[in-house]
Parts: sequence; structure tokens; C-alpha cells
Amino acid sequence: GAVVSQHPSRVICKSGTSVKIECRSLDFQATTMFWYRQFPKQSLMLMATSNEGSKATYEQGVEKDKFLINHASLTLSTLTVTSAHPEDSSFYICSASATMENEQFFGPGTRLTVL
Amino acid sequence: GQQVMQIPQYQHVQEGEDFTTYCNSSTTLSNIQWYKQRPGGHPVFLIQLVKSGEVKKQKRLTFQFGEAKKNSSLHITATQTTDVGTYFCAGRRGDYKLSFGAGTTVTVRA
Repeated sequence: GAVVSQHPSRVICKSGTSVKIECRSLDFQATTMFWYRQFPKQSLMLMATSNEGSKATYEQGVEKDKFLINHASLTLSTLTVTSAHPEDSSFYICSASATMENEQFFGPGTRLTVL
Repeated sequence: GQQVMQIPQYQHVQEGEDFTTYCNSSTTLSNIQWYKQRPGGHPVFLIQLVKSGEVKKQKRLTFQFGEAKKNSSLHITATQTTDVGTYFCAGRRGDYKLSFGAGTTVTVRA
């Protein structure tokens, strides 16, 4: 299957700082990228959908000003957690898809810990 | 809230035995996908089912999509230690979004 990378894999930051997570599709052009959040031993919760060149679509309950998403190219989407707090600590996973309807290829995830 | 229910949440299996995990949706799905997530890893796509009543096999894994396209199952025969992980179903409705089930976490005793 296609390869999706995420950087960083782990990040520890202080409360109040902002953290940027990158998601890259390495061998295909991803029209659509999805950002999920996964709490320990729980399922994946879709946070937002980003399409290259347009604004992201956020799920209900997800603050767009707190979780800034940019999908500037067909191979890169970024998620910035602004003014992070301990409750933002989680496993953030991106996935990429050639089209909205295609299978999604997941990145390895980023474990964020906010102290 | 979660629109795809998956049971059981945990499955502890004796090596060599079979088991099944089930997914149910409250609404008709356009398709359903299955993913496997190993401990500490990320979800990996296994298969997609689209047609009503569809059955697909991957070696020891058998995937079914119900006639009403509201439920699906994954049956694993002769469980091996390599089957350890969490299996998620993800249903797609009329739009492009996937709703993930809670997952079935499988552990295997030798």
C-alpha cells in the first residue's frame, strides 16, 4: 500500500505552547487528508478533513481555532495544536487518500504529551 | 456519537481456535472497511466491502457484508500469535467520512 509519514512521532511540550504535526504522502498525491485523534484503548475519532487548496472541514465539537489545519500541497498537510493543554495529550493520526472515496492510508501517528 | 457498533471489545483466543468480530450500523452503509492496528502501531487497511452480501477472504480471514449493508463480520480461523492486535471496522455512509467502530482487541494464548 501507499506510504504516509508523520513527523514528529513523539512530542512533549509545556502547557500553552503550540505544536505542529506534519503528514506527508510519500508515493502518491493525496487530494484528501484526514486527521484523527485516538485516546488509549479507544477508537479513532475524526477531527477534520482537509482537501488540498481549500479550508478544512471540522467535525462537530472540534475547535478550528485550536486545531489549525493546512493542506498546502498534494503531499503535505499540517495540524497545529495551538496553546496546548494537558487535555490535548493524545495520539494524533493522519490518513491520506487519493480521492475522498478511496481507501485511506494511515500515518504512524504522533503521540503528544502536554505537561 | 459513534454510529458503528463493534463487538466484542476484547477477544482472548487460544492459539488455533477461531473467532469472529461483528459490526453493526444504525444506518445503511455505502461500504465498509476493515483495519488492523498492532500494539503501538497505526491502523493498516485490510479490505473494503461494497456489495450487499459480499464475502471476501484473505487467507485465514473471512469478511462479510450483510444483505442490508448495515452489518459486517470478520472471522479468523486457526488464530496465530501474529493475529494479535485491534481490528476496527469503519463504515462509510453516503458522504466520504468513515465512522470507526470501537475495535476488537485480540490477544492470543499459546
